[in-house]
Amino acid sequence: GQQVMQIPQYQHVQEGEDFTTYCNSSTTLSNIQWYKQRPGGHPVFLIQLVKSGEVKKQKRLTFQFGEAKKNSSLHITATQTTDVGTYFCARRNTDKLIFGTGTRLQVFP
Amino acid sequence: DTAVSQTPKYLVTQMGNDKSIKCEQNLGHDTMYWYKQDSKKFLKIMFSYNNKELIINETVPNRFSPKSPDKAHLNLHINSLELGDSAVYFCASSPPGRLNTEAFFGQGTRLTVV
Repeated sequence: GQQVMQIPQYQHVQEGEDFTTYCNSSTTLSNIQWYKQRPGGHPVFLIQLVKSGEVKKQKRLTFQFGEAKKNSSLHITATQTTDVGTYFCARRNTDKLIFGTGTRLQVFP
Repeated sequence: DTAVSQTPKYLVTQMGNDKSIKCEQNLGHDTMYWYKQDSKKFLKIMFSYNNKELIINETVPNRFSPKSPDKAHLNLHINSLELGDSAVYFCASSPPGRLNTEAFFGQGTRLTVV
């Protein structure tokens, strides 16, 4: 019941195209966090969503939390080569942070 | 200043050896973790410590023994290394507050067992 699935597993896009990754849970989430891991790097916190239907923006990134708090999405508008990396959603369960399976984004110039 | 630092960054060792990875955080956080990231990039929690006390052990083999001498340090000792232990190990920490807190990760230790 704690598994957090992400789709797609991989995405290759041309620079300038949009990209979306989806995070789905079988149980209601109290919150959802998003992290980015550059190739060879470590996960870095991007944002946290708490409220049902919440939408937050960071420049070209838009984060959404579903109305039922069972899914979330990260949308990148007009990708750039600097967006390359693996994007993880994560749910906090009291003393641990459970990560989704991740979506690896490759951007071709 | 590095917030969460791990050493070493790379570790290559033979099967059967014992090795340790050290982690220190200077953020004043109460909670520290060890995560294992496999070749498919799955990030799996291994241990969670709160104020030097073990909170979570996610069915990790007994060959893995974390030690927290104080709340700023969480070291990982691995006995009798196996090929399947090859992975990137990340240390992380979180501020107090059990629900809405983010994790800060170290740069990772790439362990290769040959």
